[in-house]
Amino acid sequence: QQKVQQSPESLIVPEGAMTSLNCTFSDSASQYFAWYRQHSGKAPKALMSIFSNGEKEEGRFTIHLNKASLHFSLHIRDSQPSDSALYLCAAASSGSWQLIFGSGTQLTVMP
Amino acid sequence: DMKVTQMPRYLIKRMGENVLLECGQDMSHETMYWYRQDPGLGLQLIYISYDVDSNSEGDIPKGYRVSRKKREHFSLILDSAKTNQTSVYFCASSLTGGWTEQFFGPGTRLTVL
Repeated sequence: QQKVQQSPESLIVPEGAMTSLNCTFSDSASQYFAWYRQHSGKAPKALMSIFSNGEKEEGRFTIHLNKASLHFSLHIRDSQPSDSALYLCAAASSGSWQLIFGSGTQLTVMP
Repeated sequence: DMKVTQMPRYLIKRMGENVLLECGQDMSHETMYWYRQDPGLGLQLIYISYDVDSNSEGDIPKGYRVSRKKREHFSLILDSAKTNQTSVYFCASSLTGGWTEQFFGPGTRLTVL
């Protein structure tokens, strides 16, 4: 069964920094990859998703996907205090509709 | 206004009592989900529903059952709740099955004493 692992568990960065969050997955046939963000006490909300190798940029956020190394990442440019949240990555296998979530990275951006 | 709602938001029950958590969505989404979230474990899928009366087990279905009689409404039932079912429960919906954005409700914090 698909396993998704995130690193680091927690991260503290200064305002304006570039933040990088990592995710590895176990199923090489995985087809769909996504990042969700969850502010404290709130519902998770989708940030970005990607299907094929490469990168995808939306505003300050960029996803990198490398299927060969079973790795994808989220990069946040010019991090803001409002970016402080739990970031969850997720991957889905080709034979399943189910998204498997990682355990999350708790990001704190210090003003 | 696209929305997923959950009731109740907070619930305290005693071990052995029955629990009903309710979820609604106004987006006519086909697929709905129930997850639980515990510290350090991320979101774990309990059940997925592909449409009315078309439900499948997720990773941790034991101790739970679901009901979906209308497309916009999905219920999670705990028969004889256990203390290890204390958690935050999230309902979500998506337009179709898994490879599309999931919209989450605000969550229900359940405590079983």
